[in-house]
Amino acid sequence: GAGVSQSPSNKVTEKGKDVELRCDPISGHTALYWYRQSLGQGLEFLIYFQGNSAPDKSGLPSDRFSAERTGGSVSTLTIQRTQQEDSAVYLCASSFTPGGGSTEAFFGQGTRLTVV
Amino acid sequence: AQSVTQPDIHITVSEGASLELRCNYSYGATPYLFWYVQSPGQGLQLLLKYFSGDTLVQGIKGFEAEFKRSQSSFNLRKPSVHWSDAAEYFCAVQSTGFQKLVFGTGTRLLVSP
Repeated sequence: GAGVSQSPSNKVTEKGKDVELRCDPISGHTALYWYRQSLGQGLEFLIYFQGNSAPDKSGLPSDRFSAERTGGSVSTLTIQRTQQEDSAVYLCASSFTPGGGSTEAFFGQGTRLTVV
Repeated sequence: AQSVTQPDIHITVSEGASLELRCNYSYGATPYLFWYVQSPGQGLQLLLKYFSGDTLVQGIKGFEAEFKRSQSSFNLRKPSVHWSDAAEYFCAVQSTGFQKLVFGTGTRLLVSP
């Protein structure tokens, strides 16, 4: 696709349920990020995938959060046993990193997660 | 670890006045530097970026930013603010393309008539 696509755009779930958020990065982009943005807050880094390297999971807030990236493309962020404090907008971004250089990260529109 | 500081949480500027948003970073070498804007209900859009070379970079929508190595700063400027510039502005740094992109906490810009 032309841009980073995230689905669903909105998700309401009951406390304690598991949710999966999907991100389709721009084709050919080697790097993929997940960020969380709570109401009125900045961007909280969650996890970073770069090519075939082990992901940087240093931002995941608890072991209820996990993410995978299949085939170097689509990524799924899973939140188990959701809590109300998980309510936020989850943003995905991708970029192309030729030889360790950098290009801009392109962001999706986000998934707004509401835990009730 | 690299970090980014945006000291101003909110800034209010009169329409037509000049604007400067501050950004300081902590990193040993010169990182890649970015400014993003997020309008209400919208995703993040890149305003400009600095990788190397000329320390004054021009971006979209009339914005510019100046990299000052001695001050570890990358401040965003605009000579004349328009009401449509009201948004949240995020500074971001990246040590290399193989490292994660780290964002500041953002500065919310309000434009008064």
